[in-house]
Amino acid sequence: AQTVTQSQPEMSVQEAETVTLSCTYDTSESDYYLFWYKQPPSRQMILVIRQEAYKQQNATENRFSVNFQKAAKSFSLKISDSQLGDAAMYFCAYRSEENSGYALNFGKGTSLLVTP
Amino acid sequence: ETGVTQTPRHLVMGMTNKKSLKCEQHLGHNAMYWYKQSAKKPLELMFVYSLEERVENNSVPSRFSPECPNSSHLFLHLHTLQPEDSALYLCASSHARHTEAFFGQGTRLTVV
Repeated sequence: AQTVTQSQPEMSVQEAETVTLSCTYDTSESDYYLFWYKQPPSRQMILVIRQEAYKQQNATENRFSVNFQKAAKSFSLKISDSQLGDAAMYFCAYRSEENSGYALNFGKGTSLLVTP
Repeated sequence: ETGVTQTPRHLVMGMTNKKSLKCEQHLGHNAMYWYKQSAKKPLELMFVYSLEERVENNSVPSRFSPECPNSSHLFLHLHTLQPEDSALYLCASSHARHTEAFFGQGTRLTVV
């Protein structure tokens, strides 16, 4: 099974600043999908951004962007102009394209604290 | 609100009880999932249903029994649970293999 590693258990950023959350993954596949999910205290997992492995262009969604390095198997999330509402657990997730599995493989998460 | 609703939100049960978790999605998706989220551990996939047929079962103990009567509803029947089964149980759905999953708000289960 593919493993997803988030090496930063906790991160802190000041409001309006930029923060980058790291994610690496291990796979032998060439086609797959990567996601970042946000889990606020309400516990609901919310999709932040997705990236198809076959696309070279990094995905962006407003203040959120990724740095996808396929050869390095790295998929970091950059949050610009951080807001208090960005405080949450952030999970990186991998989904296979090639196998019959449907599942998302998640990392352990990074807790993001946003300070005023 | 993502269109995936889980009930109850909180559940406390004894080890000899039988209870069920319910998940309902109104998104027209054809796949549904149960995940377990424990403290300090990655989310663990428990079951996957596609078109109402179970396609994955990740070595989950038999005290957890899923049921998918139709594409909009998913249940997780619980019996003779252990305290280590206390966790947040998340339901999710997706339209196809290649799209992201949408999650419910979870059921916080405590086994006493």
